[in-house]
Amino acid sequence: GESVGLHLPTLSVQEGDNSIINCAYSNSASDYFIWYKQESGKGPQFIIDIRSNMDKRQGQRVTVLLNKTVKHLSLQIAATQPGDSAVYFCAENPIYGQNFVFGPGTRLSVLP
Amino acid sequence: DGGITQSPKYLFRKEGQNVTLSCEQNLNHDAMYWYRQDPGQGLRLIYYSQIVNDFQKGDIAEGYSVSREKKESFPLTVTSAQKNPTAFYLCASNGAKETQYFGPGTRLLVL
Repeated sequence: GESVGLHLPTLSVQEGDNSIINCAYSNSASDYFIWYKQESGKGPQFIIDIRSNMDKRQGQRVTVLLNKTVKHLSLQIAATQPGDSAVYFCAENPIYGQNFVFGPGTRLSVLP
Repeated sequence: DGGITQSPKYLFRKEGQNVTLSCEQNLNHDAMYWYRQDPGQGLRLIYYSQIVNDFQKGDIAEGYSVSREKKESFPLTVTSAQKNPTAFYLCASNGAKETQYFGPGTRLLVL
């Protein structure tokens, strides 16, 4: 497999449990955030996004929480499945029209 | 992959050689980007283009060049001046809604 994410923090969860992946962002002016999933050797896949005027957004099995006070973003995955195993990273967009800043990511490992 | 294609999947470069990575999108997006991904690091921006015939340097543009002659295409050339080219290269695009979508990537290796 590819060596992307070789030295990333790893979160190991049992299949069926819930997963929580965290991200600290850098710019208090950031107003748009995205979570991506990246499987080994593939390009990042959009999961869910949230704007700064929201605290929470839900998708299918995923929830993103935004805490602007401490500049913290989290991704919750319900009933984690083996297919969820991947590297997850967040992206922040400081101001509309500016370029995204990407976190290094967290590797999620789902145990049988 | 959201309508973004990259080729080739693997590319081998000899010392002193320039190589070009292809990126094509059929999403009608105005903005296109090139990122470099190294193990344990976040994506780093190489070049971006907000509109045809215009592009800007990103954070690590040295040793790279791009062109944007068509809306659909944004090729990246890794020149011989890039001394550490081994990495995973990702192309992305976004439209008016800001969300960036990525291609499948090209792994560049040095012989």
